[in-house]
Amino acid sequence: NAGVTQTPKFQVLKTGQSMTLQCAQDMNHNSMYWYRQDPGMGLRLIYYSASEGTTDKGEVPNGYNVSRLNKREFSLRLESAAPSQTSVYFCATTTGDYSGNTIYFGEGSWLTVV
Amino acid sequence: AQSVTQLDSHVSVSEGTPVLLRCNYSSSYSPSLFWYVQHPNKGLQLLLKYTSAATLVKGINGFEAEFKKSETSFHLTKPSAHMSDAAEYFCVVKDSSYKLIFGSGTRLLVRP
Repeated sequence: NAGVTQTPKFQVLKTGQSMTLQCAQDMNHNSMYWYRQDPGMGLRLIYYSASEGTTDKGEVPNGYNVSRLNKREFSLRLESAAPSQTSVYFCATTTGDYSGNTIYFGEGSWLTVV
Repeated sequence: AQSVTQLDSHVSVSEGTPVLLRCNYSSSYSPSLFWYVQHPNKGLQLLLKYTSAATLVKGINGFEAEFKKSETSFHLTKPSAHMSDAAEYFCVVKDSSYKLIFGSGTRLLVRP
């Protein structure tokens, strides 16, 4: 997973608190993604950014906001955390829209909302 | 609309026996298909990918997969399982858009 760095790796939040997950990549990729992983449901897309300056909703965007700060960084914000947002979050990147481009994942961020 | 179905949530094999993890897809386009592996509490690692070249794709750690358009399948195989293969495996489809569609995963158990 070299090249895609997520912080923090672990976080416990109280209901209603806010926090931001950070993702940075040093591979000069255009496209970046945020996924959540829940048992038995695979990975579901929260938001993605096809290129710097653009963001789009994915499958499960409610309760989240994103910022594509520059080409390297793509952050995910929980404004008012809820227990349903307890999950493992993965950032991913790929070169661009060619379908065969490999997708690279970060190590994941384990978030618990109590 | 695209979709990916991993037909088995769990597969259990004995060490040294063949592995078969099944994946069917639905796509309106000529998709690219990927298999990723995830070990416990780790990120996802690419095993192999199909991108409209050879239909039999060889990946890392002895895994391979065959793209069968007529069956809309992309099953993952390995001739002989190792204990270290125990992990969760995800089939992923990507068309010409930016979105990736993940299967729900198959957990591979390897018995000694």
